[in-house]
Amino acid sequence: GQQLNQSPQSMFIQEGEDVSMNCTSSSIFNTWLWYKQEPGEGPVLLIALYKAGELTSNGRLTAQFGITRKDSFLNISASIPSDVGIYFCAGPKPGAGSYQLTFGKGTKLSVIP
Amino acid sequence: DAGVIQSPRHEVTEMGQEVTLRCKPISGHNSLFWYRQTMMRGLELLIYFNNNVPIDDSGMPEDRFSAKMPNASFSTLKIQPSEPRDSAVYFCASSGGYEAFFGQGTRLTVV
Repeated sequence: GQQLNQSPQSMFIQEGEDVSMNCTSSSIFNTWLWYKQEPGEGPVLLIALYKAGELTSNGRLTAQFGITRKDSFLNISASIPSDVGIYFCAGPKPGAGSYQLTFGKGTKLSVIP
Repeated sequence: DAGVIQSPRHEVTEMGQEVTLRCKPISGHNSLFWYRQTMMRGLELLIYFNNNVPIDDSGMPEDRFSAKMPNASFSTLKIQPSEPRDSAVYFCASSGGYEAFFGQGTRLTVV
């Protein structure tokens, strides 16, 4: 089945630094979703991307839908301690009318105050 | 809207016992998903319902697992008999399109 590869797997950054992570696939996606999961909670949707080349922001978060349709990027500017968590990318499994999502393994972010 | 509601939040049970996890999706969403999350395997889709009908259950590990959706506002995931390797966090999610919304999960421990 299709796989989403996220990198890096984990990162430790100083508070105030910017963060970049990405998600790649060997298959073309028509939608990219980015989720954040905090300890003890379910994943929460951050940003949804529906168009190649699209750049969408949500506060300090910015995500881009790659032109090739095989990748997506998430950036966090001026990180703060509450940004800690696991960030997942996800995309729909190919198939007419299917809303099933495939998830990457996640990027674990730690912020050092 | 209260979001996706799962119960219980935590469940500890003995090997061999039956376990039932419950989910109330967001009103108006016609797709419902059950996921299992472990450190080793990440988020795995177990089963997907659309309009209360199971569409894809290829992720259900074995016959000990079963899921039902008797109506648009309720779903259950049952494990019978449970085994220690079933210990994981189980999430229910619902969507009206591609954007899925997750519940807080049920942390299952089978001893």
